[in-house]
Amino acid sequence: EAGVTQSPTHLIKTRGQQATLRCSPISGHTSVYWYQQALGLGLQFLLWYDEGEERNRGNFPPRFSGRQFPNYSSELNVNALELEDSALYLCASEPRTAYGYTFGSGTRLTVV
Amino acid sequence: KNEVEQSPQNLTAQEGEFITINCSYSVGISALHWLQQHPGGGIVSLFMLSSGKKKHGRLIATINIQEKHSSLHITASHPRDSAVYICAVNKGYGNKLVFGAGTILRVKS
Repeated sequence: EAGVTQSPTHLIKTRGQQATLRCSPISGHTSVYWYQQALGLGLQFLLWYDEGEERNRGNFPPRFSGRQFPNYSSELNVNALELEDSALYLCASEPRTAYGYTFGSGTRLTVV
Repeated sequence: KNEVEQSPQNLTAQEGEFITINCSYSVGISALHWLQQHPGGGIVSLFMLSSGKKKHGRLIATINIQEKHSSLHITASHPRDSAVYICAVNKGYGNKLVFGAGTILRVKS
């Protein structure tokens, strides 16, 4: 069974640009979570999508947004990139009816 | 007080030593994760536990739900085990994970 896949693995953007990160959950998983790990900091919760809806978000500005598609894959968009957005972005997925929280390997975003 | 506390924060061991990293939590959980992150690398899920004990190669994870405590053991440690080990708890479906601060492990040859 394929795990949670994230793309791209690495992404380099210029300050002010927009970045789009993608996550494909495990088949049958309906929830997708996004986390940020900035340099020197711990993992911070960003967003939770379930059944196509944003259910919860962490303490991040509106520049951070996303969506979940009918096939439960998800996109994270970061607009007006700032240098401090440079981080590892981690996606995780979970099924509704059984426990199976699973992480992707992450996208490392560098803003220059 | 953080909901998830890990100890020690830093650990240096000699190759071959038996290593234990501890995690205590103060909330009800549905499961607990042990994660590994090598310098500059992504995060790998080592174990997901809701009870008892799991073993994978030289790694063993245990959890005591009543005591709200989990341990990660590494037997016959090796320099390639050098990484940050993170404990995270899940408080139930739809809840974000709550992470410990991590334990930085360095295994010297």
